[in-house]
Amino acid sequence: AQSVTQLDSHVSVSEGTPVLLRCNYSSSYSPSLFWYVQHPNKGLQLLLKYTSAATLVKGINGFEAEFKKSETSFHLTKPSAHMSDAAEYFCVVSDGGSGYSTLTFGKGTMLLVSP
Amino acid sequence: GAVVSQHPSWVICKSGTSVKIECRSLDFQATTMFWYRQFPKQSLMLMATSNEGSKATYEQGVEKDKFLINHASLTLSTLTVTSAHPEDSSFYICSARGLVTYNEQFFGPGTRLTVL
Repeated sequence: AQSVTQLDSHVSVSEGTPVLLRCNYSSSYSPSLFWYVQHPNKGLQLLLKYTSAATLVKGINGFEAEFKKSETSFHLTKPSAHMSDAAEYFCVVSDGGSGYSTLTFGKGTMLLVSP
Repeated sequence: GAVVSQHPSWVICKSGTSVKIECRSLDFQATTMFWYRQFPKQSLMLMATSNEGSKATYEQGVEKDKFLINHASLTLSTLTVTSAHPEDSSFYICSARGLVTYNEQFFGPGTRLTVL
């Protein structure tokens, strides 16, 4: 069984300050982990993914995440927030392996960016 | 590459009617397609998984007779909401996965369904 916990339902930052969105996971197998962003009434856009290669993963728009197996965490960070980063962010786990695995979504974290 | 489209992007229908939503993989062959439902301010919930040419596998609590899924080709899956009711109003999102995309799913832009 796999699960994802996003520790914050809302995160508020000022433009230009760092962003930290927290995610912890549980998986029986070697997981694949993803971060997706969703703007209002839009589909999901993949920010980055971890699939057992480098533990520090760089994604689009300046985001990155670090896979820490000992802490079962995959927190998303960005050095400097931009107004356009305001959106809903989902941490997602897949137990990988067979290729027939399904995705399990976290409940999402709404990122609010103030000027 | 790996683009998934959905049609329509939004639809309004009367209670009791049926609505069909299409999901297409535009530049790859999707051996598996997934249908999700998202309520306002909530996460995505997997409704069903369909593999090309076989019957869909529904998640617990999802009525297969109400949400008909067809995956007749490697680039098209359809979700038909039959006898829609206001409680079926939601944002429906499909995703697709192919052999060359390994474990990654590519998501469509979603369809907003409003049942009056």
